[in-house]
Amino acid sequence: QKEVEQDPGPLSVPEGAIVSLNCTYSNSAFQYFMWYRQYSRKGPELLMYTYSSGNKEDGRFTAQVDKSSKYISLFIRDSQPSDSATYLCAMSGISGSARQLTFGSGTQLTVLP
Amino acid sequence: SQTIHQWPATLVQPVGSPLSLECTVEGTSNPNLYWYRQAAGRGLQLLFYSVGIGQISSEVPQNLSASRPQDRQFILSSKKLLLSDSGFYLCAWSDRGSPSDTQYFGPGTRLTVL
Repeated sequence: QKEVEQDPGPLSVPEGAIVSLNCTYSNSAFQYFMWYRQYSRKGPELLMYTYSSGNKEDGRFTAQVDKSSKYISLFIRDSQPSDSATYLCAMSGISGSARQLTFGSGTQLTVLP
Repeated sequence: SQTIHQWPATLVQPVGSPLSLECTVEGTSNPNLYWYRQAAGRGLQLLFYSVGIGQISSEVPQNLSASRPQDRQFILSSKKLLLSDSGFYLCAWSDRGSPSDTQYFGPGTRLTVL
């Protein structure tokens, strides 16, 4: 079993839809949770960063963490064609080394105009 | 603000040729540095990471090597490329003082080995 599971998609939605992207994980030591957006042929860019459980909102994006269920989500409201990208979840535990960021495999999202 | 550079952006090399990819970071000191490879449609594979000059840890046995000759410079090398070395190579940095190890990525180098 992988430490982080992410549905690879592809996910296709019409413009304006609410998108839900999800990851599950098995390591209860994870404390920090990140979402990256990667456009085709580009490096991943940090989108959202949360610590422990709860919600965090940034414009049209909301990151949600449920540590009791080991489940994190990214919601995109009023999705736009420019949101078409691969979304990667990532997480880490208490810092002790430089390699503790664990990534999901990414979900490919297409928003149709 | 911090900036991370990678070059070249694209590279086509014959099998058996050497490789040198360079990554530099600006605007921060003592970063942790990382090399990843991303195969088409696949996730990120951590290849090497470094916590300081001359300190390299390898995650995957392969014909690649990494070096960190300066604090903000990270180099990925190979003496003889294999077909399986094709992929998208990403350099990343994190703040050594950050508890989360949040990483920031460069633009990547797309390598095709023929």
